[in-house]
Amino acid sequence: QLQLQESGPGLVKPSETLSLTCTVSGGSISSSSYYWGWIRQPPGKGLEWIGSIYYSGSTYYNPSLKSRVTISVDTSKNQFSLKLSSVTAADTAVYYCARRPMVAPFDYWGQGTLVTVSS
Amino acid sequence: QSALTQPPSASGSPGQSVTISCTGTSSDVGGYNYVSWYQQHPGKAPKLMIYEVSKRPSGVPDRFSGSKSGNTASLTVSGLQAEDEADYYCSSYAGSNGFGGGTKLTVL
Repeated sequence: QLQLQESGPGLVKPSETLSLTCTVSGGSISSSSYYWGWIRQPPGKGLEWIGSIYYSGSTYYNPSLKSRVTISVDTSKNQFSLKLSSVTAADTAVYYCARRPMVAPFDYWGQGTLVTVSS
Repeated sequence: QSALTQPPSASGSPGQSVTISCTGTSSDVGGYNYVSWYQQHPGKAPKLMIYEVSKRPSGVPDRFSGSKSGNTASLTVSGLQAEDEADYYCSSYAGSNGFGGGTKLTVL
């Protein structure tokens, strides 16, 4: 059974860079059939797609966040990562990693991790 | 601001049916059959309930059904049960990966 697990600091200071890693188990991140993505959800609000990456390293970002987002993949560790720079309180959210098959919606999700931006 | 528009709330009594709408444009909902619906209980990750407008993943009860007309997609939950009370999000995965703002379904 495929599992995804987010990890990283739960507290980040304003203006700093948020860094999270998603570890994939029960399947290979190098499969040509899937994209791997990050989605976030501010407390009490809706879902926002941040970006996605293919195992080859090709990336696709939400235009509203593109200038601050970097997503990378480490196939040797079966992990992909998110970096969000110059964070503010508005970036406080539960961050999810998820798998998306080609021409299909996100089907497997991690449990999510709360990241709070505060000094 | 969400790319897809959903009503903030919906409700129904046990056993009844309720329909949640999701309005987009001809560039997303109306242009492709790539609409999905997620169910999210408090503190949990979203769960895929419908994909390609009307298809159900394995394990999703057939009480959940989807449809589309023009630029508006709909999720219908029939035979409402207490455990159906949750937030529901639509998504268009034809390029933009946008989500709707979410609809809180209350079972009265």
